Amino acid sequence: AQRVTQPEKLLSVFKGAPVELKCNYSYSGSPELFWYVQYSRQRLQLLLRHISRESIKGFTADLNKGETSFHLKKPFAQEEDSAMYYCALRNYGQNFVFGPGTRLSVLP
Amino acid sequence: EAGVAQSPRYKIIEKRQSVAFWCNPISGHATLYWYQQILGQGPKLLIQFQNNGVVDDSQLPKDRFSAERLKGVDSTLKIQPAKLEDSAVYLCASSPGTITATEAFFGQGTRLTVV
Repeated sequence: AQRVTQPEKLLSVFKGAPVELKCNYSYSGSPELFWYVQYSRQRLQLLLRHISRESIKGFTADLNKGETSFHLKKPFAQEEDSAMYYCALRNYGQNFVFGPGTRLSVLP
Repeated sequence: EAGVAQSPRYKIIEKRQSVAFWCNPISGHATLYWYQQILGQGPKLLIQFQNNGVVDDSQLPKDRFSAERLKGVDSTLKIQPAKLEDSAVYLCASSPGTITATEAFFGQGTRLTVV
């Protein structure tokens, strides 16, 4: 069965501090991994996906198949990063399975 | 490009009443999803369409929920009769559904409150 876990419901860091949002998944095949973000009063939107291997808004995420993890990292958090972050996996041709989400709060 | 449009934005109904939600996906997107997001949880898939055919409705409570996507474009999701536990945000998303373009684009959602 496909499953995504995000152990932290809330993560608070100070501005300028590094941030890491954890994501672990269980899936027997080769899934695509995504991070979606939802800013206050906005719709859910894609932040990044593992196949692109890109950095968006300073965030990066590396797929670790051995540990079945896809943690989201940013070296220096900004106040505008405060939002809900959802990790999701998708098997090719299938639907998205979302984790429960982590609320990131960046304090001034 | 225009995003995924959903209506209404908010709906309050009494239990045992009926309700319908509407979704207009991004033009040309073959795949359409309906998700249910209960407060404090991540979105959970209700149904996935590919054009006007159902790909996955395994988590749709079919005794009370129904969905259709006529002509492979707009979609409606209906609940009849509603229960208190149906209170949630209902998200519609669409995707090009190609090998290279796999991300889902979400609408603003419809917040349903059942009292």
